[in-house]
Amino acid sequence: KAGVTQTPRYLIKTRGQQVTLSCSPISGHRSVSWYQQTPGQGLQFLFEYFSETQRNKGNFPGRFSGRQFSNSRSEMNVSTLELGDSALYLCASEGMGYNEQFFGPGTRLTVL
Amino acid sequence: SQQGEEDPQALSIQEGENATMNCSYKTSINNLQWYRQNSGRGLVHLILIRSNEREKHSGRLRVTLDTSKKSSSLLITASRAADTASYFCATVLNRDDKIIFGKGTRLHILP
Repeated sequence: KAGVTQTPRYLIKTRGQQVTLSCSPISGHRSVSWYQQTPGQGLQFLFEYFSETQRNKGNFPGRFSGRQFSNSRSEMNVSTLELGDSALYLCASEGMGYNEQFFGPGTRLTVL
Repeated sequence: SQQGEEDPQALSIQEGENATMNCSYKTSINNLQWYRQNSGRGLVHLILIRSNEREKHSGRLRVTLDTSKKSSSLLITASRAADTASYFCATVLNRDDKIIFGKGTRLHILP
């Protein structure tokens, strides 16, 4: 099976812009979670989608949003970018196993 | 906020030695997991231990869980250069709950 893929791998944006990141889960996985990783805050949970519905949500402002399509692919959007949004954004998919997450390589976002 | 906290934050050992990392958490959990991350890449799931289990093994990895102390340890035996990475513990409070990661232990294996 192909692994979790994320596009793009690298992105440079300026403050105030918006960005959309994409994640394709492992075939057959219906749950997709998104995380933000920074040196200062570590890995922080953004949200999880299961069967096109947001199932869990972290403590991020409304500028961070996501969605999941019927084929389980997911996108996350960040509007009105701030310098502090610079981070590695990871998505992970989960199958019918017991909470085990399979991570993609991440998208490194730099906000200038 | 982080549920799990790893200790130590960083660890350097000689190749061939054993490496032990600890994780403490605050509230009751459904399961605890350990992940590895090589520099700037995605995380790789290593092992999951359920709240009713006390010890699990996978190859050179041994994980223990002490729910009375709310702590877990990850032991890597006979370390190799390829084990150099950051190791994270992650807790799940209830089934289908979000996974909460600690800040990780940076392990460096010296040749």
